[in-house]
Amino acid sequence: ETGVTQTPRHLVMGMTNKKSLKCEQHLGHNAMYWYKQSAKKPLELMFVYNFKEQTENNSVPSRFSPECPNSSHLFLHLHTLQPEDSALYLCASSQANRGTQYFGPGTRLTVL
Amino acid sequence: DQQVKQNSPSLSVQEGRISILNCDYTNSMFDYFLWYKKYPAEGPTFLISISSIKDKNEDGRFTVFLNKSAKHLSLHIVPSQPGDSAVYFCAASPKNAGGTSYGKLTFGQGTILTVHP
Repeated sequence: ETGVTQTPRHLVMGMTNKKSLKCEQHLGHNAMYWYKQSAKKPLELMFVYNFKEQTENNSVPSRFSPECPNSSHLFLHLHTLQPEDSALYLCASSQANRGTQYFGPGTRLTVL
Repeated sequence: DQQVKQNSPSLSVQEGRISILNCDYTNSMFDYFLWYKKYPAEGPTFLISISSIKDKNEDGRFTVFLNKSAKHLSLHIVPSQPGDSAVYFCAASPKNAGGTSYGKLTFGQGTILTVHP
């Protein structure tokens, strides 16, 4: 499924850097999601946006700051991350009120 | 506390045979279930889903079975092909206040399926 794109695909950053992950969906959906997948752990939901409004924050530390300017775009702003934040970050989208989510390829983040 | 569990980390199957992947859940509020497949360096790809009002859903070689009383679902792949080798995740979603299912997917840990030629 190439309807959800993510950039960059790989990112290496220091703990004092500020960077942003970008997600774009071309499926006409109105809900977007950020997930984190750490090694040997299930995918963990981080944030949910429905019609540009944040409806779920799964106790995510404030060093992760999401932004959803419209239903097609979703950002994850990163600052002062820790090495344990190194993971695969996945974006997904769906129609609101329908459970099937479609995922992007992910950004592999390494924090040094 | 893991609400969705895939107790088999890996499964190895001969090409042409049936692959059966299992998933158990504990939250009785879950009412929509999905299976995703993931290749290395790619995001999960949606395979098949089932609503709690059904006990079986079929799509080509893939069939998902749901046993609500046992809180168990399984994915059958028949016949298995080498290209099916990937990590398979089950996921579950609860009803929202409006009675529809959306948004908050809870994933299992995944099962690595290897199909040998």
